[in-house]
Amino acid sequence: NAGVTQTPKFQVLKTGQSMTLQCAQDMNHNSMYWYRQDPGMGLRLIYYSASEGTTDKGEVPNGYNVSRLNKREFSLRLESAAPSQTSVYFCASSDRITSNQPQHFGDGTRLSIL
Amino acid sequence: RKEVEQDPGPFNVPEGATVAFNCTYSNSASQSFFWYRQDCRKEPKLLMSVYSSGNEDGRFTAQLNRASQYISLLIRDSKLSDSATYLCVVNIDYKLSFGAGTTVTVRA
Repeated sequence: NAGVTQTPKFQVLKTGQSMTLQCAQDMNHNSMYWYRQDPGMGLRLIYYSASEGTTDKGEVPNGYNVSRLNKREFSLRLESAAPSQTSVYFCASSDRITSNQPQHFGDGTRLSIL
Repeated sequence: RKEVEQDPGPFNVPEGATVAFNCTYSNSASQSFFWYRQDCRKEPKLLMSVYSSGNEDGRFTAQLNRASQYISLLIRDSKLSDSATYLCVVNIDYKLSFGAGTTVTVRA
């Protein structure tokens, strides 16, 4: 049982390049999330998808776009990467977006923008 | 003001000791609360939910004080394997808000 799978695990980009981070879950969860984690800060929500076919902005959406491709997959795209987007990115999922549902995380994508 | 604030530590304790730490949250409308554990920048993993009446899970005890808007975690009989960063997490309007974490190091 893989849980939440993220690809790639590591990536180095040059400023201005674009890329898509992939996330897939096999737990039949309805809700999926993208976070970034920077040193000394808590995880910050970038975008989330409460259910298939819906996406909403989180706390720090600027510079990112997302696609909920189907129930399993939720991708995060950087259209024009900037050094400020150097971070560790985590994808997560939960059964549904209610107050008492914990989230299950992938093992992260470490992204460096030069 | 951050929505969730934690003492970053580190808390350095010997094996077998008890260690406790708090986090505070700013939004009184927060709906649910969790402690997550994160090892060496790996993915966060749910440690336990925090219930209004307080709850235990083995050596771990969590307390919630809604009036003062803080959550606590106590670890008894610390093990080397408890060394990690503990993230306080608050659910606000169905979205999780994370503290920056409290680092605990258990030494032999």
